[in-house]
Amino acid sequence: TQLLEQSPQFLSIQEGENLTVYCNSSSVFSSLQWYRQEPGEGPVLLVTVVTGGEVKKLKRLTFQFGDARKDSSLHITAAQTGDTGLYLCAGVGGAQKLVFGQGTRLTINP
Amino acid sequence: EPEVTQTPSHQVTQMGQEVILRCVPISNHLYFYWYRQILGQKVEFLVSFYNNEISEKSEIFDDQFSVERPDGSNFTLKIRSTKLEDSAMYFCASSEFRGTDTQYFGPGTRLTVL
Repeated sequence: TQLLEQSPQFLSIQEGENLTVYCNSSSVFSSLQWYRQEPGEGPVLLVTVVTGGEVKKLKRLTFQFGDARKDSSLHITAAQTGDTGLYLCAGVGGAQKLVFGQGTRLTINP
Repeated sequence: EPEVTQTPSHQVTQMGQEVILRCVPISNHLYFYWYRQILGQKVEFLVSFYNNEISEKSEIFDDQFSVERPDGSNFTLKIRSTKLEDSAMYFCASSEFRGTDTQYFGPGTRLTVL
C-alpha cells in the first residue's frame, strides 16, 4: 500500500515568515501533485512535478520533487494571509489513481 | 478556463435509498475518476474509468457502487443502497491522459445519509 505522509499537519506562523511543508513516502511515484483545498470545495491544482530533482516555482511558492521521486516539499517565502488554507500532496500510484497525504493546514497570522 | 462541474452540490438521503451523483468532466479529457473525503479524513480514491469501462477500483468501491458515462458529457456515480458511513464529500476528477497526467477536480457533492 502506497502512503504519503505530510508534515507538519498544522502550521501557524506570522505574515512575512518562510515555511516548508514536507511530503514523504517509502514508495516511488511517477509524478506528484500539490493541491490547495478550501473548506467545502474540491482540491485546486497548484503544480505537478514529474522528474526526480525537479524544482518548480509559482511566485512565492517553490516545489521540489526528490531525486528518488519518493518525497516532495513546498516552500513558501514571505507568507501572506492569503496563503492560509489546506495544502495537499498527491502521488500518482497504480495505473492512474492519486494517493493523497492527510494535508497540512496552514494559518498565516497578520 | 475549462473546469469539472458536479451536481448536486449537496444531497441528503435516507439510509437504504439510491443516489446518483453527476459530473461533467473537462470536454477533451479521456480519463475520469471518483474520490471521496469523509469529514476530517484524507481524500480517497474510489474508481477510474476510461473508454467506457472501469480501469481501476479501490476496496471501497464494492457492489453497491457503479459508474457510468451515459452520454458524451456526463459521468455518474451511483450508490445503490446508501449507508450512514457513505456520508462524505464526493469529488469527480478528469485528466487528458493517463499515468503522470494532472487530474482536475470538481467542487464536490456533499452526501449526507440520515
